[in-house]
Amino acid sequence: DADVTQTPRNRITKTGKRIMLECSQTKGHDRMYWYRQDPGLGLRLIYYSFDVKDINKGEISDGYSVSRQAQAKFSLSLESAIPNQTALYFCATSDTDRIGGYTFGSGTRLTVV
Amino acid sequence: SQQGEEDPQALSIQEGENATMNCSYKTSINNLQWYRQNSGRGLVHLILIRSNEREKHSGRLRVTLDTSKKSSSLLITASRAADTASYFCAPRGSTLGRLYFGRGTQLTVWP
Repeated sequence: DADVTQTPRNRITKTGKRIMLECSQTKGHDRMYWYRQDPGLGLRLIYYSFDVKDINKGEISDGYSVSRQAQAKFSLSLESAIPNQTALYFCATSDTDRIGGYTFGSGTRLTVV
Repeated sequence: SQQGEEDPQALSIQEGENATMNCSYKTSINNLQWYRQNSGRGLVHLILIRSNEREKHSGRLRVTLDTSKKSSSLLITASRAADTASYFCAPRGSTLGRLYFGRGTQLTVWP
C-alpha cells in the first residue's frame, strides 16, 4: 500500500456541486498539506495542518475547506465547485521536525464542467 | 517569495549526457530539497542538502549549494530516458514548516 493515499484518483463534477477529496497516510506523520497544480505552474499550497487540532490557510484557500479527522486523515472540500478549480490536487505529509522531506500522494485529477 | 525558481524551464538532452538544473531563492534557509515529478504523478523527494553543506551526492545525483549566492544546482550524470520528468527545488526556511514549489524544470531525455 502507498504511504499516502488519495481518493478518488480522477473525478469529473459539475459546477456548483460539493466535492470532497480524501487523503490518508500510514507514515505516522503529524503534518499534512494540500496543494494544487495547474499546467505550466508550480504547486500552490491550499491548506496545511501541523497536528489534529491545527488548520492553517495556505496561498490559495478561497473556495476550499479542510477537515483533519485524525492524524492519518486530511480531507479537502470544494463547497461549490467552479471550472477554474480544475486542476491536479496533491496531498503531502511530513514529520514533526522542520527540516525533513515531504511524502506526496499520487494526486487527484479534478475536472469541473 | 519563499519558493525557489528553477532554470531552465525546459531541458532536452540525449541519453548518456549530463543534465544540470539550477535553482535560485531569496530567503535564508535551513536546507534545500529537490523533488522529481513524473508526468501527472506525485512529487518524489530526491535529495536534501543542509545550509552548512556545499555538495552532496546520491547515486547519479550531485547537488551543490551556494548560500552566499542563494543558489543550488542539481546534476544528473549519464542521463537515462527514465529520468524524463519535472524537477523542483524547495528551499526550506529556518522557522517555517512548509515548502513552496516553483514551476520546475522539465527534463526530456531522448533515447
